[in-house]
Amino acid sequence: GIQVEQSPPDLILQEGANSTLRCNFSDSVNNLQWFHQNPWGQLINLFYIPSGTKQNGRLSATTVATERYSLLYISSSQTTDSGVYFCAVSSGTYKYIFGTGTRLKVLA
Amino acid sequence: NAGVMQNPRHLVRRRGQEARLRCSPMKGHSHVYWYRQLPEEGLKFMVYLQKENIIDESGMPKERFSAEFPKEGPSILRIQQVVRGDSAAYFCASSLGQAGNTEAFFGQGTRLTVV
Repeated sequence: GIQVEQSPPDLILQEGANSTLRCNFSDSVNNLQWFHQNPWGQLINLFYIPSGTKQNGRLSATTVATERYSLLYISSSQTTDSGVYFCAVSSGTYKYIFGTGTRLKVLA
Repeated sequence: NAGVMQNPRHLVRRRGQEARLRCSPMKGHSHVYWYRQLPEEGLKFMVYLQKENIIDESGMPKERFSAEFPKEGPSILRIQQVVRGDSAAYFCASSLGQAGNTEAFFGQGTRLTVV
């Protein structure tokens, strides 16, 4: 089955710093979503981005489907950005395959 | 427009008891999915349901686990005779069309602890 790898696995930032999170997938996909799981465990939709670029405030994402990767950019990070960021893909089906996540901690 | 609602948020059960987890999809969504997250891992697909039908339960353990999505009311994930290994966060998601073609929205999860 399709494999999803995220990097880096862990990231510590000082408040105000920028970061780039990466999601690589092993086969073509027709759907990709980014999620933020906050420290209380809640899973929050960030982007639905099978291809192209989207921006929402301090966050933006780019998916290059032909090269099998997606990037999530966080600018001017805040402590509330802490948590785990998951990339999830589906390839012709309704089943999402989740990556193992990037655990982000933003220090005040 | 309320999101996907799951309850309870936290559930503690003794070994051998039954656990019932509830999920109300977003308004207008008829596709429901259940995922399980073990500690320090990503979410894994369990089952896909539409109203009154189980479409795919390939990710669900063969024994003790069942799911339903009745014509009226929430979707229910039922775990009979729980064991310690069932301790996990269980997430429900819903979509307007079939996920993979449309965006899926996840609930807040139910954290099951088996003692």
